[in-house]
Amino acid sequence: DGGITQSPKYLFRKEGQNVTLSCEQNLNHDAMYWYRQDPGQGLRLIYYSQIVNDFQKGDIAEGYSVSREKKESFPLTVTSAQKNPTAFYLCASTKTGLNTEAFFGQGTRLTVV
Amino acid sequence: GQQLNQSPQSMFIQEGEDVSMNCTSSSIFNTWLWYKQDPGEGPVLLIALYKAGELTSNGRLTAQFGITRKDSFLNISASIPSDVGIYFCAGRSVTQGGSEKLVFGKGTKLTVNP
Repeated sequence: DGGITQSPKYLFRKEGQNVTLSCEQNLNHDAMYWYRQDPGQGLRLIYYSQIVNDFQKGDIAEGYSVSREKKESFPLTVTSAQKNPTAFYLCASTKTGLNTEAFFGQGTRLTVV
Repeated sequence: GQQLNQSPQSMFIQEGEDVSMNCTSSSIFNTWLWYKQDPGEGPVLLIALYKAGELTSNGRLTAQFGITRKDSFLNISASIPSDVGIYFCAGRSVTQGGSEKLVFGKGTKLTVNP
């Protein structure tokens, strides 16, 4: 079945370590997004990519990095420069153009101790 | 960045009651989307709206794309306990450079008392 998959669902890391969150989609979607969600908060955009090998910063990109080497994959690295990395991370994808919907993965809960 | 104003922030209702929530923005969107999120899960798309003035239903859910393209509402009729969750609105827009963005409201947390 087509869909968007995030892995792992839960991730624990020590402070100061970089960590990479996976997001893969087989929907043939062009655009992919990463959002951060804190308890009781909405979704804040970290990075997005509309085509392979191109991506743009969102509203809270500091301390994060991404790559888009393949259409299907958009991994997010949470670096040690991110001051408060513990959060729920959501990946989404859409086709570009008008009249399209966005679909989400199931999320990754990152806890930094 | 762009912001969507979603209200109310939370609602506590009795089973069987109708619910209404809305999103407004100072910016124009060409698509409005409504999602439901269960705890610890990703948001699931409920309704997508593509035209100003469009009214779309999905079972007990009805949503409308505002005529000004700056607002949308979602109604849930005859609520049931499984309607509990956080509901998000989202708008899609095109930036000045031609790229597209998804912008979300902060969510409406719905609690349904049996």
